[in-house]
Amino acid sequence: GQSLEQPSEVTAVEGAIVQINCTYQTSGFYGLSWYQQHDGGAPTFLSYNALDGLEETGRFSSFLSRSDSYGYLLLQELQMKDSASYFCAVRDGGATNKLIFGTGTLLAVQP
Amino acid sequence: DAGVIQSPRHEVTEMGQEVTLRCKPISGHDYLFWYRQTMMRGLELLIYFNNNVPIDDSGMPEDRFSAKMPNASFSTLKIQPSEPRDSAVYFCASRGASGYGYTFGSGTRLTVV
Repeated sequence: GQSLEQPSEVTAVEGAIVQINCTYQTSGFYGLSWYQQHDGGAPTFLSYNALDGLEETGRFSSFLSRSDSYGYLLLQELQMKDSASYFCAVRDGGATNKLIFGTGTLLAVQP
Repeated sequence: DAGVIQSPRHEVTEMGQEVTLRCKPISGHDYLFWYRQTMMRGLELLIYFNNNVPIDDSGMPEDRFSAKMPNASFSTLKIQPSEPRDSAVYFCASRGASGYGYTFGSGTRLTVV
């Protein structure tokens, strides 16, 4: 089967750093993506890792270790507006473009 | 760029009725995806198209669901007949051939009573 596991909820305070982990088990792998979704909104693309290592985009960074089937999203200098659900997603296989989403992590940023 | 446009935003219908959801992808995007989101099952891929051709419909729940893409700027997802368990938010997304990120529409919240 195919699965992507994430913690269901994370709570942090404004200004802090939080890490959201994702472990995956898929039949194929062509990159790990992260999406943000505010309550009632649409998922929004944040980042993509095809190779091992850290990718940084402003306050957000994403890491991938293919040998461990593991990645994480790091959010720094947390702001109230970062309160949202965060999904990891894997592109499954080269012949397809199926993006399979994880279970999602609800991040609550407290003042 | 207006993004991916979906209509309607909300749909309430009675069980047994036909429901049609509509999507206009971003101009120039070669891939179009239909997803369904529920609390129980999360974001599920239903079907996707490449250059207007259905490539993988293995996620379509059953024969009551059908999707078409008659041209590069329009797609529909139809449910006939609808059932209460079809209640969910349905998202359409598109992606360019060389891009990594999917752009999602605002979704259609479907309630079947």
